[in-house]
Amino acid sequence: DVKVTQSSRYLVKRTGEKVFLECVQDMDHENMFWYRQDPGLGLRLIYFSYDVKMKEKGDIPEGYSVSREKKERFSLILESASTNQTSMYLCASSSEVLAGETQYFGPGTRLLVL
Amino acid sequence: AQSVTQLDSQVPVFEEAPVELRCNYSSSVSVYLFWYVQYPNQGLQLLLKYLSGSTLVKGINGFEAEFNKSQTSFHLRKPSVHISDTAEYFCAVTNQGAQKLVFGQGTRLTINP
Repeated sequence: DVKVTQSSRYLVKRTGEKVFLECVQDMDHENMFWYRQDPGLGLRLIYFSYDVKMKEKGDIPEGYSVSREKKERFSLILESASTNQTSMYLCASSSEVLAGETQYFGPGTRLLVL
Repeated sequence: AQSVTQLDSQVPVFEEAPVELRCNYSSSVSVYLFWYVQYPNQGLQLLLKYLSGSTLVKGINGFEAEFNKSQTSFHLRKPSVHISDTAEYFCAVTNQGAQKLVFGQGTRLTINP
């Protein structure tokens, strides 16, 4: 079974703090993704990576950066957290580079920025 | 640009009743379509997907969906729901050559006993 783990289920941070969200997958997947989930908006892609040290912007990259130093690990960084970044953050991974591959999701990190 | 519209934000049904969750998409090219489910306090997991071939796709837990190209729809159905189907359901689309999924807004399915 594919397993995608996220470092925290719940986080509380203060405005202006630097926040790191970590994601690890154990199936040697090429692709990794970060989404945020908000009620009524579904999932929106923040960044994705199709290889180590490679990254591409998704639909809402502003205020975020990412790091992929190892194939199994993909980090999302909020350089200076703001209250409008309070959300559920979901990490996913998939094999291959072909469209149509299933994405496997972690359990999510619920971030509250005060 | 692709987009996905899930026509109902919430669907309440009684246990053992049939259910249909509606999904419409827009795309100018050939698409791949997905339904994911999110149970309470969990991440998303794949229910089913359409890549090609038969337009009727069967998934896990008794769900199925039909791809209708002329209607640009991919509605999800189950003939008899169970309490354990209570979850949020997401429709998503991508196309050949693309890595990104575009998700709909989600439909919360509530099963009443």
